[in-house]
Amino acid sequence: IQLTQSPSSLSASVGDRVTITCRASQGIGSFLAWYQQKPGKAPKLLIYAASTLQNGVPSTFSGSGSGTDFTLTISSLQPEDFATYFCQQLNSYPWTFGQGTKVEIK
Amino acid sequence: QLQLQESGPGLVKPSETLSLTCTVSGGSISSSSYYWGWIRQPPGKGLEWIGSIYYSGSTYYNPSLKSRVTISVDTSKNQFSLKLSSVTAADTAVYYCARQPFGQSFFDYWGQGTLVTVSS
Repeated sequence: IQLTQSPSSLSASVGDRVTITCRASQGIGSFLAWYQQKPGKAPKLLIYAASTLQNGVPSTFSGSGSGTDFTLTISSLQPEDFATYFCQQLNSYPWTFGQGTKVEIK
Repeated sequence: QLQLQESGPGLVKPSETLSLTCTVSGGSISSSSYYWGWIRQPPGKGLEWIGSIYYSGSTYYNPSLKSRVTISVDTSKNQFSLKLSSVTAADTAVYYCARQPFGQSFFDYWGQGTLVTVSS
């Protein structure tokens, strides 16, 4: 299953609302996760089952969608949120990831 | 606090075998609640799942790499390992080990990653 994220990068300001999209090449129900990765660091799990927030993740992050179209929303961008975000499909083996969306400071 | 730490050579010659070990601390690799996986990320690129193993030794691999990959577990040392044979420059990547809750497919704890360069 191929995952296509859009945009590949975006520039935003602190306080902005940011939305990232992940589209699957076939339906995957709600079997999708989102990760945040900062330069030189391992990915951090943010959301699984499309909309379930991992423990300790700020409520400014939310996920939605099912089937083939999913979104990750950051309701108010904070300085520590500038990073690259990846989606991962959890529906069928082999597990695959999107190519990433880099969120940069405007 | 669970921690995972990758270790192994940072430089491997083409056609040789890449070998990495992941040491788990702060938790037992023999827990029935988790699989343990390897994921890699070529410089500046996206993530690729390599394979996962259960404490019993049950494995599943990415079909794109299956012919070259072996993942094993040593419960006495709380470690699991990756071997990737016949490497080429395309295998140059940061290699991560991670924990995968049983029955789920996401990775909730990750090691810091280790860069392996394939070059003569």
